[in-house]
Amino acid sequence: GDSVTQMEGPVTLSEEAFLTINCTYTATGYPSLFWYVQYPGEGLQLLLKATKADDKGSNKGFEATYRKETTSFHLEKGSVQVSDSAVYFCALRNKAAGNKLTFGGGTRVLVKP
Amino acid sequence: GAVVSQHPSRVICKSGTSVKIECRSLDFQATTMFWYRQFPKQSLMLMATSNEGSKATYEQGVEKDKFLINHASLTLSTLTVTSAHPEDSSFYICSAHGGSTGELFFGEGSRLTVL
Repeated sequence: GDSVTQMEGPVTLSEEAFLTINCTYTATGYPSLFWYVQYPGEGLQLLLKATKADDKGSNKGFEATYRKETTSFHLEKGSVQVSDSAVYFCALRNKAAGNKLTFGGGTRVLVKP
Repeated sequence: GAVVSQHPSRVICKSGTSVKIECRSLDFQATTMFWYRQFPKQSLMLMATSNEGSKATYEQGVEKDKFLINHASLTLSTLTVTSAHPEDSSFYICSAHGGSTGELFFGEGSRLTVL
């Protein structure tokens, strides 16, 4: 079945540091890929998405490129802020699997001032 | 944007009792809602798909008699954990497609602790 693997956290960074969270997936067909963010005490929010190979999703300074050849969708931000502290989830949605969302394990990011 | 709200956000109950969690779409109608379970430091696992006016569709391994889902209206789905046990303690999250883009919106989650 479909699966998503992302790097385990926690990831601890200083403000203005570069952030990368690796995400790779296994799926049949051509899934859509997502990054969700969960801030403390809140529900998940869609951060960005990409629906086909080579698409780049971007939002709030975060970027991720859909790489079919490496089955990856790594999340990056060039300069993080304390307010970026959250748990980040990589996910895929596959029409071939009934459009259900499959999530990675989540990566907790802590940005220190 | 579209908002999905859950209630209660936290609940503590005794073993053997039943607990009901509500999921509401506040500014849109949702014919389908999804219920997830999140264990500590783990990912979200889809439990079931709640369909308005019909029976829920449960994922493999989820006991439908244990986790009762009722989607009585286009804005409300409820999850009832029956005869709760400590191993049912978890974070339960609902979601629904809404807004002009049909994006999936998530509730804030409900943390259940069974003593």
